Amino acid sequence: QLQLQESGPRLVKPSATLSLTCSVSGASIRSNTYYWGWIRQPPGKGLEWIGNIYHSGSTNYKPSLKSRVTISVDTSKNQFSLKLSSVTAADTAVYYCAKEYKDSFYYYMDVWGKGTTVTVSS
Amino acid sequence: SSELTQDPAVSVALGQTVRITCQGDTLRTYYASWYQQKPGQAPVVVMYGEDNRPSGIPDRFSGSSSGNTASLTIAGAQAEDEADYYCNSRDSSGNRLVFGGGTKLTVL
Repeated sequence: QLQLQESGPRLVKPSATLSLTCSVSGASIRSNTYYWGWIRQPPGKGLEWIGNIYHSGSTNYKPSLKSRVTISVDTSKNQFSLKLSSVTAADTAVYYCAKEYKDSFYYYMDVWGKGTTVTVSS
Repeated sequence: SSELTQDPAVSVALGQTVRITCQGDTLRTYYASWYQQKPGQAPVVVMYGEDNRPSGIPDRFSGSSSGNTASLTIAGAQAEDEADYYCNSRDSSGNRLVFGGGTKLTVL
């Protein structure tokens, strides 16, 4: 059974870079059908798609975050990572990683990590 | 526009039918998917495409789409269906996703 687990610092200082890793177990990150995405949810607010990556390294980012976001993949470790630079308090959120199923008809997240809370504060 | 619009809150009497809607221009081209999120938990996909339920999702959940509107219908709502529901779909690029603002469903 495929599982995702987020890991990384829970507290990040303003203007620093937030770094998270998602470890994938139960399936290969090299699967041709899947993308691997990051989503966040500020306290009391809705879900926000941040971006995704294919095992080849091809990425897609939310336009408003694109200048600050880098998503990378390490196929040897079956992991993918998120870096968000120049963080502010507005970046405080629960960060989820998810497996995205994408074909010509359907595009949805069918497996989610449990999420990790990241707080931006000095 | 790449935005998806949902009603912030909807209520339904126990056992009755409720429809949750999601509006956006890109829904004329792309299917929506729907996620249920209970407090303190990660979202779970309950519908994808026009009317496709993942394994384990009760058949009281159904989906439909018309024009720029996608709908999630719960026939015979149960207390355990009380949750936040989010739609998402591709944006105009076709390669990125966007979420609706979410609908809080209360089962009375």
